[in-house]
Amino acid sequence: AQRVTQPEKLLSVFKGAPVELKCNYSYSGSPELFWYVQYSRQRLQLLLRHISRESIKGFTADLNKGETSFHLKKPFAQEEDSAMYYCALNGYSGGSNYKLTFGKGTLLTVNP
Amino acid sequence: EAGVTQFPSHSVIEKGQTVTLRCDPISGHDNLYWYRRVMGKEIKFLLHFVKESKQDESGMPNNRFLAERTGGTYSTLKVQPAELEDSGVYFCASSQDIRTGGRNIQYFGAGTRLSVL
Repeated sequence: AQRVTQPEKLLSVFKGAPVELKCNYSYSGSPELFWYVQYSRQRLQLLLRHISRESIKGFTADLNKGETSFHLKKPFAQEEDSAMYYCALNGYSGGSNYKLTFGKGTLLTVNP
Repeated sequence: EAGVTQFPSHSVIEKGQTVTLRCDPISGHDNLYWYRRVMGKEIKFLLHFVKESKQDESGMPNNRFLAERTGGTYSTLKVQPAELEDSGVYFCASSQDIRTGGRNIQYFGAGTRLSVL
């Protein structure tokens, strides 16, 4: 069974402070992990994909297989980063079939 | 290029009524997924189409839910009869087949908020 855990429902930081949104996963195979973000009144959109190993909007996330984690980090938070963040695992279920398993999400608020 | 579109954005119905949600995927995306988020819970997978075929419907909660994708284009999700616990946000996503160069990334619609009273 695949599972994604985001332990923090709410996270509040001040502008300019570092931010880390935690994500742990459970999956028997080789995981493919994503961070999706939903800004107020907008759709879910892809923020990061672990395979890409890129930095988007200053965010980075490193897959740690030993700790089964994929934490999202940003050294200096901005007010426009305030949003709901979802960690998701793309689980292979045979053939060309994949499905996303989501964590419950973390609502990040960046205060001025 | 248009994204995934869902209609309606919000539906309010009474218990026992029928509601049909529609999803238009990104053009050329063979994979279409339905997910839903009920209050206080995580976003959960419902089912996956490849073109017009149901590949995985393991997440469908019960037989009151019927999904179709006629012709492999848009998809509908019908709830009949609706119950109070069906209230939530229903998301549709689409992705390109990885065998034809897709990057296995799912693109989401804005969702349909269903309220069953």
